[in-house]
Amino acid sequence: TQLLEQSPQFLSIQEGENLTVYCNSSSVFSSLQWYRQEPGEGPVLLVTVVTGGEVKKLKRLTFQFGDARKDSSLHITAAQPGDTGLYLCAGAFNGRGATNKLIFGTGTLLAVQP
Amino acid sequence: KAGVTQTPRYLIKTRGQQVTLSCSPISGHRSVSWYQQTPGQGLQFLFEYFSETQRNKGNFPGRFSGRQFSNSRSEMNVSTLELGDSALYLCASSWGQATYGYTFGSGTRLTVV
Repeated sequence: TQLLEQSPQFLSIQEGENLTVYCNSSSVFSSLQWYRQEPGEGPVLLVTVVTGGEVKKLKRLTFQFGDARKDSSLHITAAQPGDTGLYLCAGAFNGRGATNKLIFGTGTLLAVQP
Repeated sequence: KAGVTQTPRYLIKTRGQQVTLSCSPISGHRSVSWYQQTPGQGLQFLFEYFSETQRNKGNFPGRFSGRQFSNSRSEMNVSTLELGDSALYLCASSWGQATYGYTFGSGTRLTVV
């Protein structure tokens, strides 16, 4: 079974605080992606990390791919109310033929209070 | 450029009926994947189509089926609807490889009563 576990499931913080969301699996992925989803809409791709150990920064968001390409983390610095949403990690398997698939983590619901 | 378009946005059906949902991918994208999203199970993979062929399938019963047309537009069908089929159905398009990420539509909210 291919599973992606995210933690924490829920997070309620005050504006200006920092937070980290974790995404773990026993499977090796060709890439790890992070999406944010708002109510009633589809997920929107934030970042794709491909190389083990890779770190990408997107303004106040920092994404890291584990060395073994099995896990990832998302760190938000000085969270703002606009960061509120459901954060989903997704692991991609080799993009050839029947193994081409993206599986999603269990999700982290973030609420940033003003 | 136009995004992924899903129609309809909302649908209410009765148990036992069937339903067809439509997805138009981003122009040039040849892969369309379908997902079911529920509060309890999260995003579950249904199937993926590439160049009119089903390339991958998730663990859903045969009541769930799909197809892809030569213009890459895709439809999914659910027959003999059950209450548990109530969910947000999401379509995602890409050039062909999951590795580089997907663009999702806004989804179709299906309610079975």
